[in-house]
Amino acid sequence: QLQLQESGPGLVKPAETLSLTCTVSGGSISGSTSYWAWIRQPPGKGLEWIGNIYYTGTTYYKPSLMSRVTMSVDTSKNQFSLNLTSVTAADTAVYYCARRRYAGSWYADYWGQGTLVTVSS
Amino acid sequence: QSALTQPPSVSGSPGQSVTISCTGTSSDIGNDDRVSWYQQPPGAAPKLVIYEVNNRPSGVPDRFSGSKSGNMASLTISGLQAGDEADYYCSSYSTSSTWVFGGGTKLTVL
Repeated sequence: QLQLQESGPGLVKPAETLSLTCTVSGGSISGSTSYWAWIRQPPGKGLEWIGNIYYTGTTYYKPSLMSRVTMSVDTSKNQFSLNLTSVTAADTAVYYCARRRYAGSWYADYWGQGTLVTVSS
Repeated sequence: QSALTQPPSVSGSPGQSVTISCTGTSSDIGNDDRVSWYQQPPGAAPKLVIYEVNNRPSGVPDRFSGSKSGNMASLTISGLQAGDEADYYCSSYSTSSTWVFGGGTKLTVL
């Protein structure tokens, strides 16, 4: 059974960089057909896609976030990561990592439990 | 403001059917069948209930069904149960390899 688990600081200061890692267990990131995604949910609001990454490092980002987002993958640790720079209070959200099953599938069949990141001084 | 439009809330009594709509554009729902639906109970992560318009993952009861017409997709839940009470989100592939979500609909079982 595939499992995903987010980790990282729960509090980030304005203008700093938000960094999160997703650890995948029960399956390998590398050599699979899956894409790996970050999705966030501000408190009391809807879901927002941030971006996807393939194990080769190929990425797709939401255009409005592209200037601040970087995603990376570490196949040796079976992890992928998110960096979001110059954060503001609007970036306060529960951040989820998730799996897209294959390149042509645009749905998330496995999700992490989510981690709340608050942007505040 | 979300890319896909959903009603804020719907409700129904146990045993009844409810339908949740999701309106997009010709750049997303209207141009692609990669529409999916997620169920999110309070405090929990989303769970996939419908993918590619009308396909159910293993373990999702056949009371859940999806459809699409033009720029609108719909999720129908029949034989409502108390355990169905949750927020529901639609999503769709959009142009230039992007992924859009709806604002969510709160389902209340009366």
